[in-house]
Amino acid sequence: IQLTQSPSSLSASVGDRVTITCRASQGISSSYLAWYQQKPGKAPNLLIYAASTLQSGVPSRFSGSGSGTDFTLTISGLQPEDFATYYCQQLNTFGGTFGQGTKVEIK
Amino acid sequence: QVQLVESGGGVVQPGGSLRVSCATSGFTFTNFGMHWVRQAPGKGLEWVAVIWYDGSKKFYADSVKGRFTISRDDSKKTLSLQMNSLRAEDTAIYYCARDQRSNYYDYWGQGTLVTVSS
Repeated sequence: IQLTQSPSSLSASVGDRVTITCRASQGISSSYLAWYQQKPGKAPNLLIYAASTLQSGVPSRFSGSGSGTDFTLTISGLQPEDFATYYCQQLNTFGGTFGQGTKVEIK
Repeated sequence: QVQLVESGGGVVQPGGSLRVSCATSGFTFTNFGMHWVRQAPGKGLEWVAVIWYDGSKKFYADSVKGRFTISRDDSKKTLSLQMNSLRAEDTAIYYCARDQRSNYYDYWGQGTLVTVSS
């Protein structure tokens, strides 16, 4: 299963609402869709699992939704620390795959 | 607190071998499957291998199958990846990650850089 994220990059301002889309090449169970944030030089950090469940400690401005082949990550009120690259991941098939990433930059 | 600390990265010539390790603490190691994920410079994330919580099963990405071996030492709470016949395209940061019910990876190490170059 391939995951395609859009856009590949975006520029946004502090306070903006940002939406990132992850499209799967075939339907997947929502239970197996996760989102990660990665800052330069750091390891990925789990934000959301099961498509919409916020990982403990993650700010509530992050939310996830979707089902089937289309999933979204929304950041409501972008903060300076949110500028990073975001990846979706599916584990519906063994080993799983990651999307190519979406880089969120400062406008 | 949960900690995963990789070590063993370095520079190796094409065709050479290297072993990277992941020391864990803060959780019951034998309760969790563990993964290796890599990231080539400036690129995205690629799953490499997984080992079951009890070591009974191991699976690999096609790109490393037959060359890499994942293992675990439960007495030392350590995960390892033995990499043989290394190629330039294996150059990457290698992360270990804890599996959570095969649904997502909830903890990651800081990574160790492996460079394959002559």
